Amino acid sequence: SQTIHQWPATLVQPVGSPLSLECTVEGTSNPNLYWYRQAAGRGLQLLFYSIGIDQISSEVPQNLSASRPQDRQFILSSKKLLLSDSGFYLCAWSFSGPGRPNTEAFFGQGTRLTVV
Amino acid sequence: KNQVEQSPQSLIILEGKNCTLQCNYTVSPFSNLRWYKQDTGRGPVSLTIMTFSENTKSNGRYTATLDADTKQSSLHITASQLSDSASYICVVSQRMTTDSWGKLQFGAGTQVVVTP
Repeated sequence: SQTIHQWPATLVQPVGSPLSLECTVEGTSNPNLYWYRQAAGRGLQLLFYSIGIDQISSEVPQNLSASRPQDRQFILSSKKLLLSDSGFYLCAWSFSGPGRPNTEAFFGQGTRLTVV
Repeated sequence: KNQVEQSPQSLIILEGKNCTLQCNYTVSPFSNLRWYKQDTGRGPVSLTIMTFSENTKSNGRYTATLDADTKQSSLHITASQLSDSASYICVVSQRMTTDSWGKLQFGAGTQVVVTP
């Protein structure tokens, strides 16, 4: 069976500090990977999606970046955090490729980031 | 522009009452539509999935409808319970073709609060 791991669960960081959130998927290969952010009281906002190693698309301009160094590893980073980066960050994956059911996104448990 | 629009943004209902959430989409080519339930501080969990040929599908007290011609879906909650308080998110999947890799498009969600 497939599992997704996202860490840390909570994080408090000062303004201007770097950020690294990690997400790994087990039990499948070549998944589509996503990073979402959810501000307080708001819906999910797609930040990045990836269909393969080093194939990453950014949905919105921001001071965040994403990398996929391995097939099942997706990392969200920032060199200098802003107050507005506070929020709930979710990693997700879905099946990809012909004949595979690309019908559901499976989410990690999320990271609550507070920038102070 | 978001390709999945949900309404209302939020609603408050009394325990035991029914409510209906709406989802309009412009995603093309269309593959399927899922409704997710997201409890506060958790990752979303799938409730129902509907493909192009399906008009209605139920999961306990949740009933989803789909009109692929008008590109509209609804989620009806019957006899609401306090545990139904959550964000409900509509997710539309693109059909995978040579030009489309089947990206998932997320609505911003409807925040439902069930009061005693």
